Amino acid sequence: GENVEQHPSTLSVQEGDSAVIKCTYSDSASNYFPWYKQELGKGPQLIIDIRSNVGEKKDQRIAVTLNKTAKHFSLHITETQPEDSAVYFCAASIGGGGNKLTFGTGTQLKVEL
Amino acid sequence: NAGVTQTPKFRILKIGQSMTLQCTQDMNHNYMYWYRQDPGMGLKLIYYSVGAGITDKGEVPNGYNVSRSTTEDFPLRLELAAPSQTSVYFCAGRGYSNQPQHFGDGTRLSIL
Repeated sequence: GENVEQHPSTLSVQEGDSAVIKCTYSDSASNYFPWYKQELGKGPQLIIDIRSNVGEKKDQRIAVTLNKTAKHFSLHITETQPEDSAVYFCAASIGGGGNKLTFGTGTQLKVEL
Repeated sequence: NAGVTQTPKFRILKIGQSMTLQCTQDMNHNYMYWYRQDPGMGLKLIYYSVGAGITDKGEVPNGYNVSRSTTEDFPLRLELAAPSQTSVYFCAGRGYSNQPQHFGDGTRLSIL
């Protein structure tokens, strides 16, 4: 089955700096890659997603890049703010069969003042 | 719309007890999913459903059962609770046409 690895497990940045979280996947048939943000005591919230027919997608301060050849994708957050502090999860899925997601192990992002 | 609602939010069980974690959605989600999240780990899929009356196993189904008698509800049943089932459980739903999964706020379950 699919395996998703995520790095780093913890990331500390200064407010205003950029943060990058990287994920690799194993199954070349995966074609959908969402990123979720999880705040303490809450469920994961989708922040951005990308499909395999696109190499990059942006939404304000957040961007995701996908390299299908290398089977890795990354989340980029620019101009970080304290409210960006949370756990971020990447995931991958293969279309069909319920579109089951395989998650990475998460990155604890801390934005320091 | 309330989205995906899970009850209870917290529960403590004794070993060997049984319970049902409730999940209901009001977004006409066709697909529904149950995950467990252990400390420092990602979410692992327990069971999923592609529509009323249809369920299938995920990655970690042992010790759990599900049913999907209506589109709105997708309860998760633990028959004989074991300490290894101490976890945070999340329910999610999604519609057709490449829509993303939307998660509830979870049920934190401790088995002592």
